[in-house]
Formats: sequence, structure tokens, C-alpha cells
Amino acid sequence: EIVMTQSPGTLSVSPGDRATLSCRASQSISGDLAWYQLKPGQAPRLLIYGASTRAAGIPARFSGSGSGTEFTLTISSLQSEDFAVYYCQQYNNWLRTFGQGTQVEIK
Amino acid sequence: QVQLQESGPGLVKPSETLSLTCAVSGYSISSGYYWGWIRQPPGKGLEWIGSMHPGGSTHYNPSLKSRVTISLDTSQNQVSLKLSSVTAADTAVYHCARESFSSTDYWGQGTLVTVSS
Repeated sequence: EIVMTQSPGTLSVSPGDRATLSCRASQSISGDLAWYQLKPGQAPRLLIYGASTRAAGIPARFSGSGSGTEFTLTISSLQSEDFAVYYCQQYNNWLRTFGQGTQVEIK
Repeated sequence: QVQLQESGPGLVKPSETLSLTCAVSGYSISSGYYWGWIRQPPGKGLEWIGSMHPGGSTHYNPSLKSRVTISLDTSQNQVSLKLSSVTAADTAVYHCARESFSSTDYWGQGTLVTVSS
């Protein structure tokens, strides 16, 4: 099983600031990584796939980078609607595993 | 717009079988993609359960494989989940989802299932 580790667990950010979230895989997954945004009571939303490709309708302030074992999600200027929990997921094999999540909260 | 809506009992007794249904609208599940389930126990992270392709291919999380069955009803455009011999550890919000080889691009908002006597 590929273990995904996200850091930090909680990120306190002021609106308008940049947020940088990290995700590490226990073995190389090439670029087979997606990022999701979760809010209570809502359907999770796909943000990024292929490590760096924005999903349809996702604002340009969301960007992803990385390959192999180290990945980053950057939110360039946090808006009020961006405060949520973010998960990375690897799909390098069919046992698809998630990180434990990073909560982005208002500072 | 693809939409997924889960339904089923919110309370299941220990040792019984959890059964959920996901109604899909905006896309015919017989047209392709994998259709599956992901769960999130209270206060914990996401766990992939498994998925199925209309062509018959299925993939399950090995930790749950002996207890899980995912099926597709193309006539009703629905996805089903059965999880047998449940315990309190199976208490979670269960999400239905559409999967491709590159992501999980559509999710339902989830339904909470509590295992308790």
C-alpha cells in the first residue's frame, strides 16, 4: 500500500495570503496525484489531477506541482470560500490511497 | 452536469449488512468510467472502498474485499454498495463517486451510516 503523508495538519492563513500544502508518497507515483477540497455537507470537489492539471472550472489561484514522491498544492490568494480541508490522493495503482488531510483555517 | 445522490439506512446493527444505493443523473453509467465508493469515519480521513466498470472489471480495497460487493444497475442508472458483518469501525460518511484513470471527478455529498445496536 502506498502511504500518503500530508503536512501540515492545520494551516492558519489570512485571506489574501498564499497557502502551500504538501503531500508525500511512500514510493514513487510518477504524476499520478489528485487534490480534493472537502467542506462539511458538500460533495468533495476535484481540484487538480495529474499533479498539476486544474480540473474544469477550478480557479487559476489553485496550482499543483511535483512528481515522484513530493507534491505541492498552492493557493495563491486565499478567498473566503477556500477555507476547507484538502486531501491528496494517489492513483498509481488500484488501491487508491489518500493523505490524512490539511485543514486550511482563517488566521 | 453529473450528479450522484446516495441513499440508504442511516443506522445498521452490528454484524448486519450495510446496503447503500447511489442514483446517478447527467451521465449513463453504462457509457464508461468506474463507479465506486469512498468513506470517511467521523474525525478521520478518506478511505477508498472500491469501484466497478460497466464492462465488469472491479477493484476493491484489500482490507475490505472479503466483505464488500459493488454492483451497477444500468437500467436504473444506479450504483450499489453492500458491506457485510459491520462493526462500529464501519461507521462513516459514505460517498458515491465516478472514477477515471486520472482522478475521482464527481462525488456525491455522502450519507452517514452509524453502526450501533
